[in-house]
Amino acid sequence: ELKVEQNPLFLSMQEGKNYTIYCNYSTTSDRLYWYRQDPGKSLESLFVLLSNGAVKQEGRLMASLDTKARLSTLHITAAVHDLSATYFCAVEPEGTGTASKLTFGTGTRLQVTL
Amino acid sequence: DGGITQSPKYLFRKEGQNVTLSCEQNLNHDAMYWYRQDPGQGLRLIYYSQIVNDFQKGDIAEGYSVSREKKESFPLTVTSAQKNPTAFYLCASSMRGGMQFFGPGTRLTVL
Repeated sequence: ELKVEQNPLFLSMQEGKNYTIYCNYSTTSDRLYWYRQDPGKSLESLFVLLSNGAVKQEGRLMASLDTKARLSTLHITAAVHDLSATYFCAVEPEGTGTASKLTFGTGTRLQVTL
Repeated sequence: DGGITQSPKYLFRKEGQNVTLSCEQNLNHDAMYWYRQDPGQGLRLIYYSQIVNDFQKGDIAEGYSVSREKKESFPLTVTSAQKNPTAFYLCASSMRGGMQFFGPGTRLTVL
């Protein structure tokens, strides 16, 4: 059974600071995704990481993937209040075919304070 | 506008009642999915479908049923066999092997 663990589960950080969210998974994977969820809302897609060493960046967020360590990171640079949300990683196991059968982590709730 | 729609936004169910949640997409995606999210938790896969007239159980299919008669539509029925249905239900769709895009969700409450 594929297990996906995120840490920390809750993160309170000041504006302007940097921090990293970690996503560990237990089996080999075809793809890893990062999503953002605002309170009471649906999920917004952020990144898809397809191969070892992949790095994607959008604004103050940068995601990377190390398939050998089965680890993905989401790095936040110079946080701003608008980044406050819950961030989920989701892992697609190898060989799931045309439908991506994802297993989600429990999420990291990020709170950026002034 | 291309996207995924879910209805209703809020739904209340009485004990012993079946209810159906609607999910429609006009993105021409082949695959569609249903997830359940409980407060403070991640998403869990209920059912998914790769093509019309075909669907597979996810991790928590008991008490739920689906159909996929049209490419655009993937309704979810929450049956009376689902003992704890109160949750946030999210529908998603994707191209083959691509990023999943999510609808706005339906919040189901048992009275």
